[in-house]
Amino acid sequence: EADIYQTPRYLVIGTGKKITLECSQTMGHDKMYWYQQDPGMELHLIHYSYGVNSTEKGDLSSESTVSRIRTEHFPLTLESARPSHTSQYLCASSRRWTTSGRAKQFFGPGTRLTVL
Amino acid sequence: DQQVKQNSPSLSVQEGRISILNCDYTNSMFDYFLWYKKYPAEGPTFLISISSIKDKNEDGRFTVFLNKSAKHLSLHIVPSQPGDSAVYFCAARSMRDQFYFGTGTSLTVIP
Repeated sequence: EADIYQTPRYLVIGTGKKITLECSQTMGHDKMYWYQQDPGMELHLIHYSYGVNSTEKGDLSSESTVSRIRTEHFPLTLESARPSHTSQYLCASSRRWTTSGRAKQFFGPGTRLTVL
Repeated sequence: DQQVKQNSPSLSVQEGRISILNCDYTNSMFDYFLWYKKYPAEGPTFLISISSIKDKNEDGRFTVFLNKSAKHLSLHIVPSQPGDSAVYFCAARSMRDQFYFGTGTSLTVIP
């Protein structure tokens, strides 16, 4: 089964604080993703990475930043949290896509962020 | 603009009957489709997938059907079990190797 971890699972924090959401996977996957999801809404891709030192912004504009210094680690940082950042943040990883097209994403348990 | 749509936010089915979850998409360049299952306070878990070159894929109680001309896919669960109660997301892969998700359908299987 997938081994992808996110910490913290829940975070309540005041406006203006800097936060880092951690995501790690032990499967050696090249690709990693961050999604944002609100209740009843679709998962929105906010960042992705195809490998070390590769990061791209997703379709949903986000004030967060990411880094990929190690294959297994893909942290997301908010420099100054605001109430509008309140959401669930899901991290995922997958193998490099193959012509067989059988790659799928493995998701972490998510971080529920509340900014007061 | 939402490229993957699940128009039914919820569905209730009796145990033992068939559950049919539907998904529509707009981008004809999607080449791979997936269904994920999500329990509260957990991340989505992969359920079943289908390539755009196929029209059906079956895995145990789960079958996914793809109708490319209608840009429609569906997930059939038969027989439905109470443990199947969860939110189901469909997703589609783009040429840029990004995944687009629907808003989810909450399935309740009534014992």
